[in-house]
Amino acid sequence: SQLAEENLWALSVHEGESVTVNCSYKTSITALQWYRQKSGEGPAQLILIRSNEREKRNGRLRATLDTSSQSSSLSITATRCEDTAVYFCATDVGNYAQGLTFGLGTRVSVFP
Amino acid sequence: GPKVLQIPSHQIIDMGQMVTLNCDPVSNHLYFYWYKQILGQQMEFLVNFYNGKVMEKSKLFKDQFSVERPDGSYFTLKIQPTALEDSAVYFCASSLEGWSAETLYFGSGTRLTVL
Repeated sequence: SQLAEENLWALSVHEGESVTVNCSYKTSITALQWYRQKSGEGPAQLILIRSNEREKRNGRLRATLDTSSQSSSLSITATRCEDTAVYFCATDVGNYAQGLTFGLGTRVSVFP
Repeated sequence: GPKVLQIPSHQIIDMGQMVTLNCDPVSNHLYFYWYKQILGQQMEFLVNFYNGKVMEKSKLFKDQFSVERPDGSYFTLKIQPTALEDSAVYFCASSLEGWSAETLYFGSGTRLTVL
């Protein structure tokens, strides 16, 4: 079973709308990170939210973290076509050397 | 932002041959990683490398795999011999420190096809 997983395979929205991707995880964490992967590119970090934080913002992005339910969400407001990508949540596994454990990702498609 | 470069972007080889995937990590980073992503599946950790040594490896990091970074040059993943199931996109990443809540910077990946 996966240690981190997004709750939906795919979402579609129109430009200007908001979209929220949800993620659940199975272990205690130090931090949860949201990454975006565009077609043909490697993942790029969007937000890192630590276990003692409940919310983090980065421009049009807002991440929340609920350690009691072991879940997180990433919201994108005023979406643009270039936001089209796969969005992953990633958690540490408590072993610093192992890097991150990624979910399968949610494909977000933003249409004009 | 910081860039990780991977060379080549695509590689096609016959089963049983050796392949070397090259990664040029962010210049001041100290920790290097390889991840494997099969189409439609999640990205999975292979190995972490620091100070010339493998720090941690997963069960996916088979005996046929090896990593090195000789004299601060490319960080490489070598597979010898290759098998059909090695076909995947391999992503290199680097980080400044090795803490579990550290940001990883990824390259664009090398798509390996083993025939």
